[in-house]
Amino acid sequence: AQSVTQLDSHVSVSEGTPVLLRCNYSSSYSPSLFWYVQHPNKGLQLLLKYTSAATLVKGINGFEAEFKKSETSFHLTKPSAHMSDAAEYFCVVTSLGVGGYNKLIFGAGTRLAVHP
Amino acid sequence: DAGVTQSPTHLIKTRGQQVTLRCSPKSGHDTVSWYQQALGQGPQFIFQYYEEEERQRGNFPDRFSGHQFPNYSSELNVNALLLGDSALYLCASSLVGTAYQETQYFGPGTRLLVL
Repeated sequence: AQSVTQLDSHVSVSEGTPVLLRCNYSSSYSPSLFWYVQHPNKGLQLLLKYTSAATLVKGINGFEAEFKKSETSFHLTKPSAHMSDAAEYFCVVTSLGVGGYNKLIFGAGTRLAVHP
Repeated sequence: DAGVTQSPTHLIKTRGQQVTLRCSPKSGHDTVSWYQQALGQGPQFIFQYYEEEERQRGNFPDRFSGHQFPNYSSELNVNALLLGDSALYLCASSLVGTAYQETQYFGPGTRLLVL
């Protein structure tokens, strides 16, 4: 079965410093992996997606993530945090169901706080 | 290009009542998935609709049912509401193709409070 573990429930950084949000996954096949962001009282926005093309994936707003199969990790990074990055971040893995259709398995989320 | 829309934005119901939530997919998308997000948790998959049929389902009781219309819009129905059904209900749309790689785009959600 597929699963996702987000290693930190809360991360706090200062504006202008690097961001690292950690995610480990478990999958019985080569998965698709995603990072989504959720701002307060908003829906989920796709940040980036890995689908076995390139191991380093660039997303929106300066975020990127690196797929490391040997470590079963898909950590999200950003070189310099901005106040507007404060939000909840979800690491997501696809899970193949009956008929080959996928559903999304979400991690518990990491709340990112950015301080001036 | 309209994104995924959901209605209503907020809803208050009492235990035992029934509720219907609605979702219109992103233009060009034909598949709708529903997720439940309890407070402080990640979303959990309820079910997915394609070609007006439920094609897979998560671990939710039969009180949760859905429908997809010919225009690809969808409804989520919950009967006999429990306090524990209070959550943000998210709709996601995607385009069937290589199902393994399809990306899901989410609406803003409907926040349901059961008293």
